[in-house]
Amino acid sequence: AQKVTQAQTEISVVEKEDVTLDCVYETRDTTYYLFWYKQPPSGELVFLIRRNSFDEQNEISGRYSWNFQKSTSSFNFTITASQVVDSAVYFCALRKTSGSRLTFGEGTQLTVNP
Amino acid sequence: KAGVTQTPRYLIKTRGQQVTLSCSPISGHRSVSWYQQTPGQGLQFLFEYFSETQRNKGNFPGRFSGRQFSNSRSEMNVSTLELGDSALYLCASSLTPWEVTGELFFGEGSRLTVL
Repeated sequence: AQKVTQAQTEISVVEKEDVTLDCVYETRDTTYYLFWYKQPPSGELVFLIRRNSFDEQNEISGRYSWNFQKSTSSFNFTITASQVVDSAVYFCALRKTSGSRLTFGEGTQLTVNP
Repeated sequence: KAGVTQTPRYLIKTRGQQVTLSCSPISGHRSVSWYQQTPGQGLQFLFEYFSETQRNKGNFPGRFSGRQFSNSRSEMNVSTLELGDSALYLCASSLTPWEVTGELFFGEGSRLTVL
């Protein structure tokens, strides 16, 4: 069985602060995908980043960066210089390499205050 | 290109009724999956369809069913509604279930309230 845990229920920061969202996962699969999605109040889940299990290179994309460590089963997501528009619920998710079934974490409500 | 379209966006039903929700995937996408989002259970996988065939099903009772049409549009049905079925139902589409990018595109959801 697969499981994703986001221990942080809510995070509140002031604009321009950096913020890291934590994600820990469990899976018996040797290959898998990891994702971060953002859910604004409108409800739509917006894809942010994807990482293959066989590629542990960490990257930066604009203000987003992620730290994937297979040894600790963690996939943390960092927003640099946060903005008010970043306020949303962020979900970490895990998926097998075949099929579309995503296993989501509980979500982290991020509030960025001006 | 147009995104995933879900209808209706909001609906209110009473216990015992049934409901049908519709999802139109992004043009060219052939895989559709459904998720239920509730405050207590979070986001949970309902089912996945590809080429009109159900490929995968989550742990939901038989009251929850779905189908996919030849144009890839999908519907899900919930019969004998219970209060606990109140939720945001999200539909997601992708080119195929095994596409390399692994990206799912979600609609804005249908918010169901059961009274």
